[in-house]
Amino acid sequence: KQEVTQIPAALSVPEGENLVLNCSFTDSAIYNLQWFRQDPGKGLTSLLLIQSSQREQTSGRLNASLDKSSGRSTLYIAASQPGDSATYLCAVVFGDNYGQNFVFGPGTRLSVLP
Amino acid sequence: DAGITQSPRHKVTETGTPVTLRCHQTENHRYMYWYRQDPGHGLRLIHYSYGVKDTDKGEVSDGYSVSRSKTEDFLLTLESATSSQTSVYFCASHSRGGTSYNEQFFGPGTRLTVL
Repeated sequence: KQEVTQIPAALSVPEGENLVLNCSFTDSAIYNLQWFRQDPGKGLTSLLLIQSSQREQTSGRLNASLDKSSGRSTLYIAASQPGDSATYLCAVVFGDNYGQNFVFGPGTRLSVLP
Repeated sequence: DAGITQSPRHKVTETGTPVTLRCHQTENHRYMYWYRQDPGHGLRLIHYSYGVKDTDKGEVSDGYSVSRSKTEDFLLTLESATSSQTSVYFCASHSRGGTSYNEQFFGPGTRLTVL
């Protein structure tokens, strides 16, 4: 079964720290990987999308990397701010078919303390 | 963000009643999805659509049906609601072209409570 895991489950850091969130997947034959943030009681907001042929993507203070051979992706957040507090989820598309088989990780709940 | 809306946003219903949730997108996306999100289970795919009148089952499709008669609308029906279907339901969509190739966009969610 194709699975996605995220470590840690929760993380609390002081404002200003750089931090790394991890996403692991069981099958290296992925189509792409997407990072989202979810605020409490809200929907998912897309942060970064990495195609299988790419190694990383950057948007502002966020940088996501992809290593298919090891089945891992990391989301790096630079100079964290209290507004970054949210749950971060990664979603992996396994294979290339109509189903676009998105499998979500359980998320990492981030708290950035002022 | 893509224009995806869901209705209703909140609903309370009783066991055994049918319920229909609506997802509407204005991006002309071909692919649309229904997920449910539950504590301890994360997001799980219920059904998806890869075009008008083209749908297929996801991981947790039992007790749910879908219909897509227009590109912009994707309906999720709980044929006879049960308490186990109390959840938050999210709709998502994406295209397969351009710089956002395969990037999924989500609606705001519908919180459904089945008493």
